[in-house]
Amino acid sequence: VQLVQSGAEVKKPGASVRVSCEASGYTFTSYSINWLRQAPGQGLEWMGKVHAGGDTTTYAQIFQGRVTMTMDTSTSTVYLDLSSLRSEDTAVYYCMRSGGGHIGDVWGQGTTVTVSS
Amino acid sequence: DIQMTQSPSTLPASVGDRVTITCRANQTISIWLAWYQQKPGKAPKVLIHKASRLESGVPSRFSGSGSGTEFTLTISRLQSDDFATYYCQHYDNYPWTFGQGTKVEIK
Repeated sequence: VQLVQSGAEVKKPGASVRVSCEASGYTFTSYSINWLRQAPGQGLEWMGKVHAGGDTTTYAQIFQGRVTMTMDTSTSTVYLDLSSLRSEDTAVYYCMRSGGGHIGDVWGQGTTVTVSS
Repeated sequence: DIQMTQSPSTLPASVGDRVTITCRANQTISIWLAWYQQKPGKAPKVLIHKASRLESGVPSRFSGSGSGTEFTLTISRLQSDDFATYYCQHYDNYPWTFGQGTKVEIK
C-alpha cells in the first residue's frame, strides 16, 4: 500500500501548480485522499479531501476558490491544483489516506512547492 | 474552526523517561483525535487514532487517552528513536486541524 507523489515544483507568484498522488496496493475507491501542507519550520495544515468512491470533495474554507482536487480512477491518481500562488504557499504538500476506520495510515512522500520570483 | 492547543511546545527528556503531551480542543470532539510522530524531512506517521487506539505496528510504549476536549499522548519509556515532533489532529468535522506540535528533544 503506497501513495507516490509527483516531483518538486518551482513557480512564480500568480502561477498555478498541479501535484499528483498515485495510489497502489489497495482498492482506490474505498478510501478518501486528503491533501495537507507544511510550510518550512511550521506545523501541518489540512487543505481538503476527495472521496475516490463518490468523487466528492470538501475543501478548507481558506483555500476555497484557489484549490481544486480531482481524481482519475483509471490510474488511481488524485490531483491537487492550487492557483494564484503566493510566497506563503511555499511548502511541502502531502497526500494522506483516510477511511475504513483509519486516518493517516498511509502518506505520500511529500512534494516541495517553491513560489519565488 | 476547532482550535487544537498542545503543551508543552518543547519537551526536554532523557532515554527511559515517561513523557506526557497534552492536547486541548476549544470545543468537544468526542474521540475523533489522532496523534502523529514526525521526523525531519519525513511524512508524519500515525501513532494513535480515535483518541486511544494504537495503530498497527506502533510500539506499545505509546498510549493515548481522553475524550471531549482534553487528550494526552504518553510514551511510557522514551527510546532514542522517539526524539521527534508530535502532533495531535482532530477529525470531528471540517476543517480538520492540528495542534502546533511538541518537539521532544534530548535533555
